[in-house]
Amino acid sequence: DQQVKQNSPSLSVQEGRISILNCDYTNSMFDYFLWYKKYPAEGPTFLISISSIKDKNEDGRFTVFLNKSAKHLSLHIVPSQPGDSAVYFCAARDSGNTPLVFGKGTRLSVIA
Amino acid sequence: GAGVSQSPSNKVTEKGKDVELRCDPISGHTALYWYRQSLGQGLEFLIYFQGNSAPDKSGLPSDRFSAERTGGSVSTLTIQRTQQEDSAVYLCASSLEKQKNIQYFGAGTRLSVL
Repeated sequence: DQQVKQNSPSLSVQEGRISILNCDYTNSMFDYFLWYKKYPAEGPTFLISISSIKDKNEDGRFTVFLNKSAKHLSLHIVPSQPGDSAVYFCAARDSGNTPLVFGKGTRLSVIA
Repeated sequence: GAGVSQSPSNKVTEKGKDVELRCDPISGHTALYWYRQSLGQGLEFLIYFQGNSAPDKSGLPSDRFSAERTGGSVSTLTIQRTQQEDSAVYLCASSLEKQKNIQYFGAGTRLSVL
């Protein structure tokens, strides 16, 4: 069963507008969530994270929101830029010594 | 470079052959992870090494898969008697023990089993 779900395989957004990428999880033991970004032929790179004790974390144009009751998190990118075009992976882990669990990714295309 | 290095970048093999994939983690990173990404899928955890502790092998899909980490640094993922379903991008990542959530990934090895 998929513990981390990214239900939108792709998303297209106009340059300058907001991109919203969504992620749902099923494991209530998850307490740390991350977003990774992946360009073609490169490995994923860490983008932003959030602990379950918070509901928002902001870093420049990137903001992650966490809704624990809904087991949902989202990544907002504003304003979107063509260089943001990539695959975005949501990941989660619990407090134990367990590996990250990744979603299938959402391919974001920012159109100039 | 200072990043995670994986070799080869591409590997084409025939069904039934054995393959070895190599990962050089970032110097000083005690944790090392192997993942694979099949077409259209997310990153699937395979195995995790942490210092001198016994590795977490819970993600290995079959006994044809094994990995070792020599001297707490370089790791080799071995796939024996490869099958077509083993075709995927195999990604290695490393992290500091105290920052396990932030993993640094290599560019991966694209394995194609014909």
